[in-house]
Amino acid sequence: KAGVTQTPRYLIKTRGQQVTLSCSPISGHRSVSWYQQTPGQGLQFLFEYFSETQRNKGNFPGRFSGRQFSNSRSEMNVSTLELGDSALYLCASYPGEGTDTQYFGPGTRLTVL
Amino acid sequence: DQQVKQNSPSLSVQEGRISILNCDYTNSMFDYFLWYKKYPAEGPTFLISISSIKDKNEDGRFTVFLNKSAKHLSLHIVPSQPGDSAVYFCAASAYMAGNQFYFGTGTSLTVIP
Repeated sequence: KAGVTQTPRYLIKTRGQQVTLSCSPISGHRSVSWYQQTPGQGLQFLFEYFSETQRNKGNFPGRFSGRQFSNSRSEMNVSTLELGDSALYLCASYPGEGTDTQYFGPGTRLTVL
Repeated sequence: DQQVKQNSPSLSVQEGRISILNCDYTNSMFDYFLWYKKYPAEGPTFLISISSIKDKNEDGRFTVFLNKSAKHLSLHIVPSQPGDSAVYFCAASAYMAGNQFYFGTGTSLTVIP
């Protein structure tokens, strides 16, 4: 089974721009979660989508949004980028129901200049 | 509110000795616990998990212990190898609380040859 894939792997943007990151979960997984990791920080939870609906949401400003498509692929969007948004953005998938393990993609490294 | 805590940011161990990484949690509804290993600029890799109905789970050199009364879990690596040097995150989820995964801030393990 293919793992979680994220595109692009690296991205450089300037302040004020917007960015869209993509995540394809493991086949059969219906839940996709997004996390932000900054240097020295743990994984900060952004949001989780399950069957095209946002099921959980972390404590991030409205500039961060996401969506999930019917094939479970998910996109995350950040508008009006700030320097502090530079981070590794991780996507994780899991079946979505019951007790199970969450698997991570390789991440997208976003640099905001 | 940090529901999962890893109070040791770093740990150094000699090769061949035991590494013990600790994690504490506050939410008594958590019923599934996981450990992930992470190298820089990569996504976390799933290591081992334990359900709240167990107090120990073993997989090769890795053993996770769960003490529900103390709300504490630990990861033992025996024997430690230089390739184990990475950041280790513990995570927890609660099936009855929407299955959101909560992560600790990580412990950086260095295994000295």
